[in-house]
Amino acid sequence: DTGVSQNPRHKITKRGQNVTFRCDPISEHNRLYWYRQTLGQGPEFLTYFQNEAQLEKSRLLSDRFSAERPKGSFSTLEIQRTEQGDSAMYLCASSPQGRPNNEQFFGPGTRLTVL
Amino acid sequence: TQLLEQSPQFLSIQEGENLTVYCNSSSVFSSLQWYRQEPGEGPVLLVTVVTGGEVKKLKRLTFQFGDARKDSSLHITAAQPGDTGLYLCAGGAIYGNKLVFGAGTILRVKS
Repeated sequence: DTGVSQNPRHKITKRGQNVTFRCDPISEHNRLYWYRQTLGQGPEFLTYFQNEAQLEKSRLLSDRFSAERPKGSFSTLEIQRTEQGDSAMYLCASSPQGRPNNEQFFGPGTRLTVL
Repeated sequence: TQLLEQSPQFLSIQEGENLTVYCNSSSVFSSLQWYRQEPGEGPVLLVTVVTGGEVKKLKRLTFQFGDARKDSSLHITAAQPGDTGLYLCAGGAIYGNKLVFGAGTILRVKS
């Protein structure tokens, strides 16, 4: 399967702990996106990378959140000092350069539960 | 701020019935995608529409983009239990690369 993969699929943590999620995009997709989805809502944009450059960040991405894509391939999303309000599904998507129309292909997500 | 409103929020129908889901905005989008999402999984892309007035068909699903590129609809003919899921519309921003999602329509098709 050459789709977008995310690890872990589920993460339960205690408030105040740090967590890190990983996303592996579809091979040769140079654009990578992170979204957050809470129950009963559609995904909300967090941040966007083109290759290794982080080009856009949402105001939803507080100082406790940091995302990296050091070699332009996989990406990590870290949340420091987690809060109960961080509980959500974190989705990663990728798209190839030159693909018009904002088409993005999503991974299965990481479900975060903060106790 | 670009917003997409989907209606209805929830739809429960019998197998074989037809249905239409609407996605509306006051903003213009460069494109409009429809996704289907199963519980605990990521959204799966169904279709992308780009041109105002464009109509695309995918088996029993018909997608339409409004002439002004502000709204879209998804029509399902003869719904089947396998169509059950969360249907999301997402608009491509004119400037930038992010998608703006609606809150989704939960469809349940009973056999």
